[in-house]
Amino acid sequence: DAGVIQSPRHEVTEMGQEVTLRCKPISGHNSLFWYRQTMMRGLELLIYFNNNVPIDDSGMPEDRFSAKMPNASFSTLKIQPSEPRDSAVYFCASSDGQGLNEQYFGPGTRLTVT
Amino acid sequence: AQSVSQHNHHVILSEAASLELGCNYSYGGTVNLFWYVQYPGQHLQLLLKYFSGDPLVKGIKGFEAEFIKSKFSFNLRKPSVQWSDTAEYFCAVSYSSASKILFGSGTRLSIRP
Repeated sequence: DAGVIQSPRHEVTEMGQEVTLRCKPISGHNSLFWYRQTMMRGLELLIYFNNNVPIDDSGMPEDRFSAKMPNASFSTLKIQPSEPRDSAVYFCASSDGQGLNEQYFGPGTRLTVT
Repeated sequence: AQSVSQHNHHVILSEAASLELGCNYSYGGTVNLFWYVQYPGQHLQLLLKYFSGDPLVKGIKGFEAEFIKSKFSFNLRKPSVQWSDTAEYFCAVSYSSASKILFGSGTRLSIRP
């Protein structure tokens, strides 16, 4: 298996633009997680899905952030409009066992909003 | 509230020194415990995990951790560190009662050659 796949690996955009981050989980995994990592705030869980259904989105910072999982093999995290403070590395992770087991992390997307 | 704490934010050691990184979690019933490592510029990778059984868990690269239920702790140890162990280390706990996993704030380990 190729592991968790994220795209793009790097994204530079201007403030106000829409940003879409993509994730393909490991085949067979039924839980998917979106994290944000910054120097100031560390690793933050934004949202997680179980069987394509959002279970906990309490970590989503504000309405500018939205996430979808239309099927078991694809998820998106969208920021609209983007702001400089959204600059961070965004990780996607997947696991089986309703999110209680080991999580496998993707390589991350480094987002820079200017 | 369920939580996980890593009290050491930054640890600096010389090569060959012994390592112990602290991790404590709040009570919440049955837990699974993990240690992840993030090398500079990379993503998190699993070092070791504890689900049940022997409370002393062996992981990759010579790391081990001990689950002490009475202390709600899961400290990470390595008898002799190497320069290549320079990384950030995250403790994580999953609570079956809440169906979620919590990550600690991480401990940055710097090894002097």
